[in-house]
Amino acid sequence: EPEVTQTPSHQVTQMGQEVILRCVPISNHLYFYWYRQILGQKVEFLVSFYNNEISEKSEIFDDQFSVERPDGSNFTLKIRSTKLEDSAMYFCASKEGGEAFFGQGTRLTVV
Amino acid sequence: QKEVEQNSGPLSVPEGAIASLNCTYSDRGSQSFFWYRQYSGKSPELIMSIYSNGDKEDGRFTAQLNKASQYVSLLIRDSQPSDSATYLCAVNMGTNAGKSTFGDGTTLTVKP
Repeated sequence: EPEVTQTPSHQVTQMGQEVILRCVPISNHLYFYWYRQILGQKVEFLVSFYNNEISEKSEIFDDQFSVERPDGSNFTLKIRSTKLEDSAMYFCASKEGGEAFFGQGTRLTVV
Repeated sequence: QKEVEQNSGPLSVPEGAIASLNCTYSDRGSQSFFWYRQYSGKSPELIMSIYSNGDKEDGRFTAQLNKASQYVSLLIRDSQPSDSATYLCAVNMGTNAGKSTFGDGTTLTVKP
């Protein structure tokens, strides 16, 4: 069964460092998303991406965040200068029709 | 008012019982509704989607949608201990490109 794949599963980084979270969406899907979930809180939308550009972003997705689809398969989220409050699970999701399928997540810990 | 609101929980039912999970949403323009199951430390797993008023059944799961009341529910029949998880209600404005807005989730425990 096709699935969304995320790497790494866990990333520990020092405050102020840049991190890149990687995702391989399901191959025939056209819409890609990043969500995050701070421990004990709800899943929050960050950004959606379609046709090689951002289609929508939330207030959380400020200038320190960026997304890219560097090739035909990967979809990345970059956080330029991490803060302690960026510690969370980051989920990539993709969809072709109405239903979004999530990757297993990357747990980002900023120390 | 929260955009998507769920029973605060936690909800505890005995094995074999029916678990009922409820969700209300504030945006009348919402068109797509989803239930995800999330085990602790894991990612959301899609279990049901519903787009039109009425009931939709899939195995032991039934989703119910009432757009007039802005209400969507999930019934789990013959609950099993493996159903113990947090259930997330998610709502989309559109059917394709739109983001999902999630509720806080309801934690269900099924006791053997």
